[in-house]
Amino acid sequence: EAGVAQSPRYKIIEKRQSVAFWCNPISGHATLYWYQQILGQGPKLLIQFQNNGVVDDSQLPKDRFSAERLKGVDSTLKIQPAKLEDSAVYLCASSSQNYGYTFGSGTRLTVV
Amino acid sequence: AQSVAQPEDQVNVAEGNPLTVKCTYSVSGNPYLFWYVQYPNRGLQFLLKYITGDNLVKGSYGFEAEFNKSQTSFHLKKPSALVSDSALYFCAVRDENYGQNFVFGPGTRLSVLP
Repeated sequence: EAGVAQSPRYKIIEKRQSVAFWCNPISGHATLYWYQQILGQGPKLLIQFQNNGVVDDSQLPKDRFSAERLKGVDSTLKIQPAKLEDSAVYLCASSSQNYGYTFGSGTRLTVV
Repeated sequence: AQSVAQPEDQVNVAEGNPLTVKCTYSVSGNPYLFWYVQYPNRGLQFLLKYITGDNLVKGSYGFEAEFNKSQTSFHLKKPSALVSDSALYFCAVRDENYGQNFVFGPGTRLSVLP
């Protein structure tokens, strides 16, 4: 089966600019996650979708981050405006009911 | 709330020797435990999981992990390390009482020396 697709792979922006990331999960996976992985740390959950509804966004900085999954398939994560501390790898993952995740390759964001 | 600890930032082992990467966890209900590996500039790759059943779980690339409920541990092991095993390893836990949300440990960097 095809994996989780993410784009772009890399992005460099200046602080206060906006940026968007895209994720296409594995076909049929109802649950989609966005994680933020800061260098040297483990991934931290930002938001979890079940189909097109939000299950958990308690750690999403809602003043600047937003995410949507309008048709219950693809998802976009947006940051507006970006701060230096947003520099990280943004990982998308999807899962079915077999308890495990499949991760995409991630988008490496550098804010300068 | 669930949490995961990986007490070692770095593990160094000689090629051909056995390796262990440690993980301890805290959950309120029954744990679902996972190991993932991350190679440079790559996403996280699934290695193995413990849901229920036999405490010794075998996974990809010759790795295995042992679930120890009394010690709340889930250490990752391999009998004979390869240089290509050098990577970042993450332990993750999901509490059966908290839906599908995973919590990841901080990661352990494994270096296998030739």
